Amino acid sequence: GNSVTQMEGPVTLSEEAFLTINCTYTATGYPSLFWYVQYPGEGLQLLLKATKADDKGSNKGFEATYRKETTSFHLEKGSVQVSDSAVYFCALSDRGGGADGLTFGKGTHLIIQP
Amino acid sequence: ETGVTQTPRHLVMGMTNKKSLKCEQHLGHNAMYWYKQSAKKPLELMFVYSLEERVENNSVPSRFSPECPNSSHLFLHLHTLQPEDSALYLCASSQQGGQGTGETQYFGPGTRLLVL
Repeated sequence: GNSVTQMEGPVTLSEEAFLTINCTYTATGYPSLFWYVQYPGEGLQLLLKATKADDKGSNKGFEATYRKETTSFHLEKGSVQVSDSAVYFCALSDRGGGADGLTFGKGTHLIIQP
Repeated sequence: ETGVTQTPRHLVMGMTNKKSLKCEQHLGHNAMYWYKQSAKKPLELMFVYSLEERVENNSVPSRFSPECPNSSHLFLHLHTLQPEDSALYLCASSQQGGQGTGETQYFGPGTRLLVL
């Protein structure tokens, strides 16, 4: 079956630090990969996605590259801000075009200190 | 209203009660989902509806009963729940498309459920 593994944290960084949150996956097909973010008291918001190998998703200064050879989709940001404090979820969908639930990692709680 | 809305946002119920959670999507999507988010666990997919038909049911106990009367609305009917069912219940929607579209799911804010 499908699975997603990510570091759970909490990850605590100072403002303007470099961020990496690791994510690796196992899937039976050719999945699409996603990063979602959840702010306190809210639902999940799509942060970025990539649909095929070597694609790079980017949004709000965050980036992640779909690495098929290492089955990874690590999230990076060059300079984090206090407002980036949230829980980040890596997820995959392996039924392109069909309605398919996402498989999520456990989430990484990110805390950015001023 | 825009996006995906869920009501109520908070719910407290006893184990003998019957209640329903409501989800509405204003995005014109044709697929809807229920997820359960518990502390320290990954989000768990509960049900998937595509074109108003249930296409997936991930071994969810029968005390949870979904209903999708049309493509914009999704309900989760609850009865005789257990304390371990306390969680955040998230609804999502997406547009089922062609191969490789990497369909994005859009989530509502969730209903925080506490079962006493």
